[in-house]
Amino acid sequence: DIQMTQSPSSLSASVGGTVTITCRASQSISRYLNWYQHKSGQGPKLLIYTSSNLQTGVPSRFSGSGSGTEFTLTISNLEPEDFATYYCQQSFSPPFTFGPGTKVDIK
Amino acid sequence: QVRLQESGPGLVKPSQTLSLTCTVSGDSMTSGHYYWTWVRQPAGKGLEWIGQFYTAGTTIYSSSLESRVTISVDTSKNQFFLKLSSVTAADAAIYYCARAPLVGGGNSLNYWGQGTLVTVSS
Repeated sequence: DIQMTQSPSSLSASVGGTVTITCRASQSISRYLNWYQHKSGQGPKLLIYTSSNLQTGVPSRFSGSGSGTEFTLTISNLEPEDFATYYCQQSFSPPFTFGPGTKVDIK
Repeated sequence: QVRLQESGPGLVKPSQTLSLTCTVSGDSMTSGHYYWTWVRQPAGKGLEWIGQFYTAGTTIYSSSLESRVTISVDTSKNQFFLKLSSVTAADAAIYYCARAPLVGGGNSLNYWGQGTLVTVSS
């Protein structure tokens, strides 16, 4: 199975600020990397698919990049509703494993 | 708009079988080619991919669960199902159903249910 790691595991940021989350795969997954936002009591929400494609309806302050084994999610101009937990997921080879998550909270 | 809704017993006894249903509304399950997927989240932990059913009949399961898990579909009812046998306390979690398009999304999960909490206790 492909193992996914994320860093940091948590971070604090201010409204209006910028955060970058890194996701690494244990082997090359090409660009088959997705990012989700998860808030308690809700199903996760797809933000970015195949590394850099913005899901319909997701604000452009979210962006993704990377290929192979290293990927990043950047959130610019943080809004209050962006404070949540973010997960990466590889969809290159089943089982389609998730990273352990990065919790973003308000500084 | 596509909606997914999980349902099933919130309490399962150890060693018994957990059975959940995901009801799809707003679209027919046969309207396109999709992967119908189950994901879970144990309390205080991250997301765990359980497995998926492709509308052509193929299933793929998590390596750690494949001896105990079955995902099936009833397109006439617009529902798909999860069965997990011989449950233990480690199977207690919020269970989510989700859908991934076969084409165009890189197997990303673009529709999710809100989740249903399953407790394992005698």
